[in-house]
Amino acid sequence: AQTVTQSQPEMSVQEAETVTLSCTYDTSESNYYLFWYKQPPSRQMILVIRQEAYKQQNATENRFSVNFQKAAKSFSLKISDSQLGDTAMYFCAFIPGTYKYIFGTGTRLKVLA
Amino acid sequence: NAGVMQNPRHLVRRRGQEARLRCSPMKGHSHVYWYRQLPEEGLKFMVYLQKENIIDESGMPKERFSAEFPKEGPSILRIQQVVRGDSAAYFCASSPGTGSANEQFFGPGTRLTVL
Repeated sequence: AQTVTQSQPEMSVQEAETVTLSCTYDTSESNYYLFWYKQPPSRQMILVIRQEAYKQQNATENRFSVNFQKAAKSFSLKISDSQLGDTAMYFCAFIPGTYKYIFGTGTRLKVLA
Repeated sequence: NAGVMQNPRHLVRRRGQEARLRCSPMKGHSHVYWYRQLPEEGLKFMVYLQKENIIDESGMPKERFSAEFPKEGPSILRIQQVVRGDSAAYFCASSPGTGSANEQFFGPGTRLTVL
């Protein structure tokens, strides 16, 4: 079965600190894409960062970076210099085939002032 | 370039009524996907459509749910005889092609509440 596991239902971090959200997945595919989405209270799904599985270099987008360990099937998200606007649900997802996203159950992140 | 549009944003129905959710993909996108998000869960794939064709409906409940993407007009997700368990957020996404390199762009979702 192709699954995504986010083992941290809730996390909190102080403003300006760094936090890491964990994600593991399971697939027999060799090539796929991985994503982190942010879902604020408005429920809009906002793409934070994406990683191509065949690329060894970890993706980075401003304060957001990933630690992609393909052999371990791990894809964690690091948020540096956390801001109040980062408060949201964060979903890890991947596409193991051609189009069907598989999502995790999410991590609720709260940034504290 | 406008993003994926969904309407209505909020829909309230009584048990037994019909719900019709609309999705207009981004310009130039011919692939549409519907996902459902139950409370406190991630999004779950329902159906994948191209113009006038259902490509994969493996995530759709067998009864009461149907989807279409006509040659003209938006994609429609239709739920007949709604029940309380249908209360969820329904997201539409679109892409210009298929293949995992083609990122899907999500609409803002329709939140369906069944009384």
